Amino acid sequence: RKEVEQDPGPFNVPEGATVAFNCTYSNSASQSFFWYRQDCRKEPKLLMSVYSSGNEDGRFTAQLNRASQYISLLIRDSKLSDSATYLCGSGGVTGGGNKLTFGTGTQLKVEL
Amino acid sequence: ETGVTQSPTHLIKTRGQQVTLRCSSQSGHNTVSWYQQALGQGPQFIFQYYREEENGRGNFPPRFSGLQFPNYSSELNVNALELDDSALYLCASSWGGQNSGNTIYFGEGSWLTVV
Repeated sequence: RKEVEQDPGPFNVPEGATVAFNCTYSNSASQSFFWYRQDCRKEPKLLMSVYSSGNEDGRFTAQLNRASQYISLLIRDSKLSDSATYLCGSGGVTGGGNKLTFGTGTQLKVEL
Repeated sequence: ETGVTQSPTHLIKTRGQQVTLRCSSQSGHNTVSWYQQALGQGPQFIFQYYREEENGRGNFPPRFSGLQFPNYSSELNVNALELDDSALYLCASSWGGQNSGNTIYFGEGSWLTVV
């Protein structure tokens, strides 16, 4: 079993739709969680950190469920420019430094 | 922009050769880590450098090695290149590599093709 698992998609949604991605992690010692956005043939860019209390940044909301060991990303009012691959990463294991373990990414395509 | 710069951006090498990739970290960051991203996969952790020493390593063979310099810049060296080494190599800059879980910021990456 992979340490971090994501549904690879693609998720094809119409503009304006709400879409949600889940990501499960197996290392219960993980303490920090992130969502990154990656455009085709570009580097991953930090979208948001994920906190236990949940956090929101404009149209994006991230949640952490420690009991079930998953994190989620909700995108409201999807834009064409949201089309990208979304990577979740977990880390913060004591002694692990800033190492992140990533899933394979979930591809989102927003269509007219 | 993250302020993390990598060079070269693209290169082609022959199987068996050696390659050196370079990275300058973001100002104020003292920790550099390297990731390998194959097509269709997420980034895989290679190793992390903090205060010029390797302080964490992923599941990569010894022919993957690195250095960190006093100015916190870093190099990734790969010896005896194999076809499967073809990937995007990402440098990530962060603060406080002796702790856990700080945010990492990626450079634009170096695309390596091994033929």
